[in-house]
Amino acid sequence: AQKITQTQPGMFVQEKEAVTLDCTYDTSDQSYGLFWYKQPSSGEMIFLIYQGSYDEQNATEGRYSLNFQKARKSANLVISASQLGDSAMYFCAMNSNDYKLSFGAGTTVTVRA
Amino acid sequence: DAMVIQNPRYQVTQFGKPVTLSCSQTLNHNVMYWYQQKSSQAPKLLFHYYDKDFNNEADTPDNFQSRRPNTSFCFLDIRSPGLGDAAMYLCATSSRDRGYHEQFFGPGTRLTVL
Repeated sequence: AQKITQTQPGMFVQEKEAVTLDCTYDTSDQSYGLFWYKQPSSGEMIFLIYQGSYDEQNATEGRYSLNFQKARKSANLVISASQLGDSAMYFCAMNSNDYKLSFGAGTTVTVRA
Repeated sequence: DAMVIQNPRYQVTQFGKPVTLSCSQTLNHNVMYWYQQKSSQAPKLLFHYYDKDFNNEADTPDNFQSRRPNTSFCFLDIRSPGLGDAAMYLCATSSRDRGYHEQFFGPGTRLTVL
């Protein structure tokens, strides 16, 4: 069974600053994928970044980077230079030998001007 | 642009009155999913289709049914909506085009039950 844990229900960040969202996971599978999604108040789930369990380098996509620490089973999302439009709910998710996603509980990020 | 489309975006129904939500995709993905998401919670997978094969989650109530007449379209039928079924319903698709199953989500349908 897979389990995703996001321990931060909500966070505030000042505009232009960086913020780190925590995600830990538990799986017995050797091959798995880790995802981060953003969900604004409009409701659409927006894919941000992917990290494969065998990827040696941390994934980066623009202002998003994933701090992957395999031994610690953590996959934290770092958003650099926060913008007001980054205010949203962020979900960490994983899949392994199948294609179904297991989601964490989510973290609400509020960016302050 | 290739995308996942959900109609309607907002649906109001009455307690016990059947309702159908629709999802279409132009991505030609072979897997389609339906999720239920209640306020401030993670999405909960109801069922998915892998090609034509239907896969129901063990805890999905019988009240929820689905149809996939072709690759592009998938429907969620709620036979007798209860107040507890008020939620956002998200459709998603995926394939292994990039070597892993990245799920692409539609904008969702927000269901209100009166």
